[in-house]
Amino acid sequence: DTAVSQTPKYLVTQMGNDKSIKCEQNLGHDTMYWYKQDSKKFLKIMFSYNNKELIINETVPNRFSPKSPDKAHLNLHINSLELGDSAVYFCASSQGTGAYTQYFGPGTRLTVL
Amino acid sequence: AQTVTQSQPEMSVQEAETVTLSCTYDTSESDYYLFWYKQPPSRQMILVIRQEAYKQQNATENRFSVNFQKAAKSFSLKISDSQLGDAAMYFCAYRSAWETSGSRLTFGEGTQLTVNP
Repeated sequence: DTAVSQTPKYLVTQMGNDKSIKCEQNLGHDTMYWYKQDSKKFLKIMFSYNNKELIINETVPNRFSPKSPDKAHLNLHINSLELGDSAVYFCASSQGTGAYTQYFGPGTRLTVL
Repeated sequence: AQTVTQSQPEMSVQEAETVTLSCTYDTSESDYYLFWYKQPPSRQMILVIRQEAYKQQNATENRFSVNFQKAAKSFSLKISDSQLGDAAMYFCAYRSAWETSGSRLTFGEGTQLTVNP
């Protein structure tokens, strides 16, 4: 009965590869997010989708491309991985874009070698 | 742009005692929401407590309570009767109530809490 799930939980890959992280929520929410947590544990938003529409697109390299096939799913594709992309990526969801609480997935630890 | 500052990178507390984690924020908005999230070693981000800026009453959730001082832009978290399971990184977060600002959470740097038996 996991609310927000991410796959995989760990991802180790070589520089230059392309990889995807998948996120699914079963809360019936219509807004989903991607956050990045760096090595110093600082969390920062990357993207947000509301009803499959991109509403937040922070200053993120265009090697990162989110895709939301439906309201329950938000995937993150990363092209040409670099060492600096190593981080923990969190998916989150909320009901609406207003004041609603965001619920986080377990995170995906990406390590680029 | 809003900023959130947690000035205590690390804190420690004895089991069963009380500890207060500090958080200050900077905003020009009058309506917003504040949160405390907990991140244990499992990495999962867990909501601890939430405060609406328009509410004068401080939020409480069991052993967790906040001291919200709107004029001072301060939002501290008090943990009473600390338990070993409270050991985690705690993040303070801000969210605008205005949808035109988007629905992002702006996080502080985090405070690593150690609970000593």
